Amino acid sequence: SAVISQKPSRDICQRGTSLTIQCQVDSQVTMMFWYRQQPGQSLTLIATANQGSEATYESGFVIDKFPISRPNLTFSTLTVSNLSPEDSSIYLCSVESAVNYGYTFGSGTRLTVV
Amino acid sequence: DAKTTQPPSMDCAEGRAANLPCNHSTISGNEYVYWYRQIHSQGPQYIIHGLKNNETNEMASLIITEDRKSSTLILPHATLRDTAVYYCIVRVADTDKLIFGTGTRLQVFP
Repeated sequence: SAVISQKPSRDICQRGTSLTIQCQVDSQVTMMFWYRQQPGQSLTLIATANQGSEATYESGFVIDKFPISRPNLTFSTLTVSNLSPEDSSIYLCSVESAVNYGYTFGSGTRLTVV
Repeated sequence: DAKTTQPPSMDCAEGRAANLPCNHSTISGNEYVYWYRQIHSQGPQYIIHGLKNNETNEMASLIITEDRKSSTLILPHATLRDTAVYYCIVRVADTDKLIFGTGTRLQVFP
């Protein structure tokens, strides 16, 4: 299955600033997915990122707050903008595996906003 | 919204089979059922998935009812390392999205 490298693994940021999270995959994939996991909660899908087109956002998530780039078939970034303490969460990227049609997840980025 | 419901928690004795139920009564004919687990805030780990036939791999078995409205994940010989949150997920047809529900917290005890 695909191997995902997600960076940074954790960060502490000041409110009002932004954090950009990178997701690198060792193989070409059509779609990449970004999730948020708030403390003690399940995963919530933020958006789907396709190469060469704008990301598709889920209800409750907007591009101004969570801009996504997808410059090629192996890489994507998620930026969390204008940070507030409510943005403190784990953010994860995910791709579909061409081998068994399961989905592989990155190890996550733990964001703390102070 | 998630299309699955699971019990919030379950216990299982080490070495015994863990049977984790999931209801997905609104599942469509071309939507797959996926199971993942998450161990202490690590990224979710793929376990198994299926459409309508029962499936088995080195980790677990997946039993899907004939009407496809529910399924059961079976860990045949649970170990302490199987303690995790288990998510039953329906892959949304035509979108390839996985929408997570609230999951079952499985505690395996000695």
